[in-house]
Amino acid sequence: QKEVEQDPGPLSVPEGAIVSLNCTYSNSAFQYFMWYRQYSRKGPELLMYTYSSGNKEDGRFTAQVDKSSKYISLFIRDSQPSDSATYLCVSTSYGKLTFGQGTILTVHP
Amino acid sequence: GAVVSQHPSWVICKSGTSVKIECRSLDFQATTMFWYRQFPKQSLMLMATSNEGSKATYEQGVEKDKFLINHASLTLSTLTVTSAHPEDSSFYICSTNPGTSPLGGTDTQYFGPGTRLTVL
Repeated sequence: QKEVEQDPGPLSVPEGAIVSLNCTYSNSAFQYFMWYRQYSRKGPELLMYTYSSGNKEDGRFTAQVDKSSKYISLFIRDSQPSDSATYLCVSTSYGKLTFGQGTILTVHP
Repeated sequence: GAVVSQHPSWVICKSGTSVKIECRSLDFQATTMFWYRQFPKQSLMLMATSNEGSKATYEQGVEKDKFLINHASLTLSTLTVTSAHPEDSSFYICSTNPGTSPLGGTDTQYFGPGTRLTVL
């Protein structure tokens, strides 16, 4: 079992839709949780960072962590074609990042 | 977030040759940098942790004699793929950890744009 499980998709939605991306993790030692966005042939870009259960909002993006169920989510409101990318959920412990497989998202006009 | 550059962005080489990839931290001094490899449609896999002024720490299964890492200064780490073969063709990405940042915490890493290596 992978330490961070993420549905690879692909996920295709129309412009303006609400997108829900989800991960589960198995390691209770994970302390921090991040979402990165990676465009094709580019390095990952940090989107959201959180360390506690609950919601964190930044513009159209909301990160949600439920440590009791080891569940991580990223919601994208009013999705845009420019949001088309691979989204990586990442958990960390003692400085080492553990990546999910990544979900490929396509937002079509 | 921290600004990280890589050079070159794309390189093609013949089998058996060596290729050097540079990773630079442009806006802070990085005592630690990380090197990842990413195959198509797969996630990033940590290859090694590069420490300024000391030997790199390699992940299990990564050949340290094949992937030479030099972290000679606080802003530059290099990865040299020696005697490259077609199976080494991949996307190589470096990252830095500034310790703290407005967007992230102490574990947050900022990634370079990546280097695509194609070995013929």
